[in-house]
Amino acid sequence: EADIYQTPRYLVIGTGKKITLECSQTMGHDKMYWYQQDPGMELHLIHYSYGVNSTEKGDLSSESTVSRIRTEHFPLTLESARPSHTSQYLCASSFHSPYRNEQFFGPGTRLTVL
Amino acid sequence: QKEVEQDPGPLSVPEGAIVSLNCTYSNSAFQYFMWYRQYSRKGPELLMYTYSSGNKEDGRFTAQVDKSSKYISLFIRDSQPSDSATYLCAAGGSQGNLIFGKGTKLSVKP
Repeated sequence: EADIYQTPRYLVIGTGKKITLECSQTMGHDKMYWYQQDPGMELHLIHYSYGVNSTEKGDLSSESTVSRIRTEHFPLTLESARPSHTSQYLCASSFHSPYRNEQFFGPGTRLTVL
Repeated sequence: QKEVEQDPGPLSVPEGAIVSLNCTYSNSAFQYFMWYRQYSRKGPELLMYTYSSGNKEDGRFTAQVDKSSKYISLFIRDSQPSDSATYLCAAGGSQGNLIFGKGTKLSVKP
């Protein structure tokens, strides 16, 4: 079944820990995205990728990094988590096409840094 | 000025009402427009996709795009309590990423 998967769904960790949020898609899409969204607030694009070995920074400055070694996998890493990183992180994917570019979202990872 | 403007609400209506949600945008290069529904603590779910101007209907939902006035709308007929969610509009052009509105929080009261 075509879908977007994010793990973990919830994560509570202490300050200074390194964490990786996983995102995988079986949609056959080439473009993938990471958004950050605080409760009741708007989406902020933090990273995106056109395909394998492509990574771009989004509109919101972020201390996280991403990698794209496989088409279907787009993990996000925080080297040293801080309380200011507490938020919901949403992964999305789409075709990289001017005519078919609807973005589909995963369920999100809710991160709390103590 | 943000490229996509959306009134955050909240908007509260009785069950069965017709709901009108609206956004304006400023970039004439935008060609495709979307509406997403987001329940609390969930990821956004794509509801409607429209390319260029015109109307699109899907069940109780109708999306309208008026490129001359840079205005996009989502109408929900016979609204239900299960429609209570935040609705996000989004717009984009062939060269860039989607630009999202802030979202309108809708509450449908039984």
